[in-house]
Amino acid sequence: DGGITQSPKYLFRKEGQNVTLSCEQNLNHDAMYWYRQDPGQGLRLIYYSQIVNDFQKGDIAEGYSVSREKKESFPLTVTSAQKNPTAFYLCASSPPVDYNEQFFGPGTRLTVL
Amino acid sequence: GQNIDQPTEMTATEGAIVQINCTYQTSGFNGLFWYQQHAGEAPTFLSYNVLDGLEEKGRFSSFLSRSKGYSYLLLKELQMKDSASYLCALMDSNYQLIWGAGTKLIIKP
Repeated sequence: DGGITQSPKYLFRKEGQNVTLSCEQNLNHDAMYWYRQDPGQGLRLIYYSQIVNDFQKGDIAEGYSVSREKKESFPLTVTSAQKNPTAFYLCASSPPVDYNEQFFGPGTRLTVL
Repeated sequence: GQNIDQPTEMTATEGAIVQINCTYQTSGFNGLFWYQQHAGEAPTFLSYNVLDGLEEKGRFSSFLSRSKGYSYLLLKELQMKDSASYLCALMDSNYQLIWGAGTKLIIKP
């Protein structure tokens, strides 16, 4: 089955710790995205990548880092510099066409204790 | 800049029809998407409009007026499983999606 997987579903971390969220897709999509969703707000773009070994900052990249060493994988690291990391994190991918329907993974809910 | 507005919450009755509006301001436009999101889950694609007019897909239809910066999602024959948030997203001139805050739809029996 083709799709996007994110792990873990729920993640707890102590303040001051870095944590990495996994995102893997087997849809052969070139573009991948990380969003953050907070209650009552729309999805906000953290980082995106349109090709392997290249990625761009989104609207709220501060305190986050990514890598794109393989087409299938786009992990997100939430660093201790992120002041308010508790949120629902969504990974998405899309094929390389202008019509940019995005396919989403199930999400990771991160809670900082 | 870009701005997207949609109502925060709407309530409707099972079997009825509901229209969820989305208005936007943008300097570049490459289409408008509607997604459905159940609580705690990922958004799923519902519709895409790039030209003016109505797109129909079963019980769901989406309308776009580019001159008015306006779209709506029409849901017919409402079912309890339609209780979800509905997200309007604008594709900008860089082909990136700008998301509205979503409309929480509550269906009552």
